[in-house]
Amino acid sequence: EPEVTQTPSHQVTQMGQEVILRCVPISNHLYFYWYRQILGQKVEFLVSFYNNEISEKSEIFDDQFSVERPDGSNFTLKIRSTKLEDSAMYFCASSKEGTQDFGPGTRLLVL
Amino acid sequence: AQSVSQHNHHVILSEAASLELGCNYSYGGTVNLFWYVQYPGQHLQLLLKYFSGDPLVKGIKGFEAEFIKSKFSFNLRKPSVQWSDTAEYFCAGLSGGYNKLIFGAGTRLAVHP
Repeated sequence: EPEVTQTPSHQVTQMGQEVILRCVPISNHLYFYWYRQILGQKVEFLVSFYNNEISEKSEIFDDQFSVERPDGSNFTLKIRSTKLEDSAMYFCASSKEGTQDFGPGTRLLVL
Repeated sequence: AQSVSQHNHHVILSEAASLELGCNYSYGGTVNLFWYVQYPGQHLQLLLKYFSGDPLVKGIKGFEAEFIKSKFSFNLRKPSVQWSDTAEYFCAGLSGGYNKLIFGAGTRLAVHP
């Protein structure tokens, strides 16, 4: 059964550095998402992406964040200048219609 | 406001006990509701979903949930839990058509043998 994959599984970075989190959605899916879960808190929506553009973003998704689908298979989340409070588990998800399939997540730690 | 709430944050049960985890939603329009499970060290997996039709939804691993519109609820049930059901359970609602999922805070279930 096809799965959403994410790399890396863990990333440690210094505050102010740029990070790129990578996701490979399921190949025939059309809708792509990023969520995050700060330790001990609920899963929060960051952004949705459809037809090569952002379809919705949350207030968390400020100018420091960007998403790209550079080559038709990868879906990336870039954080330009990381802050301590960006430390979280970041989940990618994709869907064809309705039900979203989630990747295993990338645990980001900002020091 | 659109929200999903789960009132039980931690539940501890013995094996073979019955389980009911509460979920309430607060939003109008088309209601699409989900239960996801996250086993320790693993990613979110879909347990079951409600889009329309029969309000009693059966999912994987013996789980079911009932959509009660009058109570704005979508509680998850299992008649007899096993140690392997130890996990965190998330209720979620789909908002804005094919856009974001709104998650509840999650319920951490521990099942003791």
